[in-house]
Amino acid sequence: NAGVTQTPKFQVLKTGQSMTLQCAQDMNHNSMYWYRQDPGMGLRLIYYSASEGTTDKGEVPNGYNVSRLNKREFSLRLESAAPSQTSVYFCASRGQINQPQHFGDGTRLSIL
Amino acid sequence: GESVGLHLPTLSVQEGDNSIINCAYSNSASDYFIWYKQESGKGPQFIIDIRSNMDKRQGQRVTVLLNKTVKHLSLQIAATQPGDSAVYFCAESLNQAGTALIFGKGTTLSVSS
Repeated sequence: NAGVTQTPKFQVLKTGQSMTLQCAQDMNHNSMYWYRQDPGMGLRLIYYSASEGTTDKGEVPNGYNVSRLNKREFSLRLESAAPSQTSVYFCASRGQINQPQHFGDGTRLSIL
Repeated sequence: GESVGLHLPTLSVQEGDNSIINCAYSNSASDYFIWYKQESGKGPQFIIDIRSNMDKRQGQRVTVLLNKTVKHLSLQIAATQPGDSAVYFCAESLNQAGTALIFGKGTTLSVSS
């Protein structure tokens, strides 16, 4: 019962470095999502993929790119990391409309 | 501003008490609502959901109430236990394929023995 698996769990980067956060789900879900969570704020959507082969911007997409590699995997890339991107990143997936999203345990990313 | 928000950032209760966590939403078109629990160092965990054609739904020790007239959502936890201590988020969405959730900022529930 792995659910949604995110790697790595922790990462420290220097400003300007690039990084790809990995996410995989084993629930055969159609939709996948990337959120960031900052202190004192709720989760904010970065990008999502409604189905395999499609991706769309969310509320805060600037500085990020995504790839829906196949139905199971949805990766988030930071091309040139900035300190403002220090955050906890959560991946989620969902099967059908009006079903809850299931979340991974997050990647804690610090950019110096 | 936030489409979904919680009335209180923190709530402290005694073990055994009933807890009520409130949430107000602003989008009248939202038709699906979820409560999540987030423990320290973990991702949000699904608690209970409700569709807009319902005004109440019960789970194990939890009840969600939806008042569409005033756009208000609440989570009631019966006989609150120390293990219920966490941050609770409400979230809303539209009934569309691929639509994402809009989260509020969360209420931190502290349960003392």
